[in-house]
Amino acid sequence: LAKTTQPISMDSYEGQEVNITCSHNNIATNDYITWYQQFPSQGPRFIIQGYKTKVTNEVASLFIPADRKSSTLSLPRVSLSDTAVYYCLVGDGNSGYSTLTFGKGTMLLVSP
Amino acid sequence: EAGVTQFPSHSVIEKGQTVTLRCDPISGHDNLYWYRRVMGKEIKFLLHFVKESKQDESGMPNNRFLAERTGGTYSTLKVQPAELEDSGVYFCASSPPGQTNSGYTFGSGTRLTVV
Repeated sequence: LAKTTQPISMDSYEGQEVNITCSHNNIATNDYITWYQQFPSQGPRFIIQGYKTKVTNEVASLFIPADRKSSTLSLPRVSLSDTAVYYCLVGDGNSGYSTLTFGKGTMLLVSP
Repeated sequence: EAGVTQFPSHSVIEKGQTVTLRCDPISGHDNLYWYRRVMGKEIKFLLHFVKESKQDESGMPNNRFLAERTGGTYSTLKVQPAELEDSGVYFCASSPPGQTNSGYTFGSGTRLTVV
């Protein structure tokens, strides 16, 4: 599985847009990029997944350049409740199942 | 829809004792996974059930860990005897058949402390 690199931590204020970039230089053709969010004392929660270009849902947007060697999770107008650890994962989305490989994640702290 | 339920939420045991963790997946989810995060480390895969069968147990650290999923419903993870390095948070996740890595639902985890 492709190794990922992302910032250890980020700080933001309420109402700002937060962009977290993940590097995955060795991404394979069949790999999808998936982001999970984890609040304290909870398990990880799926946020968004993409293969290329841009994906948007009600929570976030995911931007993936043409070479797919990086991706950026964009959280619009963050609130205090968005304080969490965000994990970028890369793996084969076409397999019948896929175990997840977590990195260290990015600790996002949103302040008033 | 009920989520993935784990019990207990927290367990403190002495070294050498036995502990059994339980996971109730979402109904209808054939896939059940166990993961854990030990202090200061990343979340690591332990094993994967498809219904009652072990599909992949390559992440199990040693033979002190035994996972079962009788009947393909809930699963248990027993640690016997527990060691200090087993302390951490144990997560269970489930997913429907044929899922991709976006289909996981995790439980809140069991925090195990071995003293």
